[in-house]
Amino acid sequence: DTEVTQTPKHLVMGMTNKKSLKCEQHMGHRAMYWYKQKAKKPPELMFVYSYEKLSINESVPSRFSPECPNSSLLNLHLHALQPEDSALYLCASSHHPRGGTGELFFGEGSRLTVL
Amino acid sequence: AQKVTQAQTEISVVEKEDVTLDCVYETRDTTYYLFWYKQPPSGELVFLIRRNSFDEQNEISGRYSWNFQKSTSSFNFTITASQVVDSAVYFCALLYADTGTASKLTFGTGTRLQVTL
Repeated sequence: DTEVTQTPKHLVMGMTNKKSLKCEQHMGHRAMYWYKQKAKKPPELMFVYSYEKLSINESVPSRFSPECPNSSLLNLHLHALQPEDSALYLCASSHHPRGGTGELFFGEGSRLTVL
Repeated sequence: AQKVTQAQTEISVVEKEDVTLDCVYETRDTTYYLFWYKQPPSGELVFLIRRNSFDEQNEISGRYSWNFQKSTSSFNFTITASQVVDSAVYFCALLYADTGTASKLTFGTGTRLQVTL
């Protein structure tokens, strides 16, 4: 079983809805990540949180709003999404934000469909 | 710029065949890490191996082995005696440490491996 837990596993939302994706890890990791993966494509980095502070935003549209309330939790707030935002959203964590000392641990992902 | 190339889009083999997945990377950093991840249909990315840029030793773990060659910037992955459970998409990835506040993991485009009976 993965040690990074993501909820919900599946989400269907309309373009005017507001929803959130949640990610939780209890491994004491201090870096957390959001990736977006379209079908048959590799994961693409969206955001990196380092010690609960946003350190990387890969020019993601503002309709995606990340939040890191504490070192174990990572949220992704969704508002006014477009159908092309439908994808698998993967959360990951690692021991340290930089230095490449360890691998990223991924959750199973939240599969989002925007109607 | 950092780049990972997996030229093989899809590979089909019959169970018990050996199969090698190719990975070629580009980076100007002297310190970097290479990874292989497996993504089964369930969606989760499963870590398989990490290799740092200073360690060119090949590694074997059960039916899996990895060949890291800096001279050709390659980090190939071989599955010996493949099994149906090996069917998945395999991603090679490059983690570069020389960034301001956090490291970035760049993925190759993935190789879909299908193992049939």
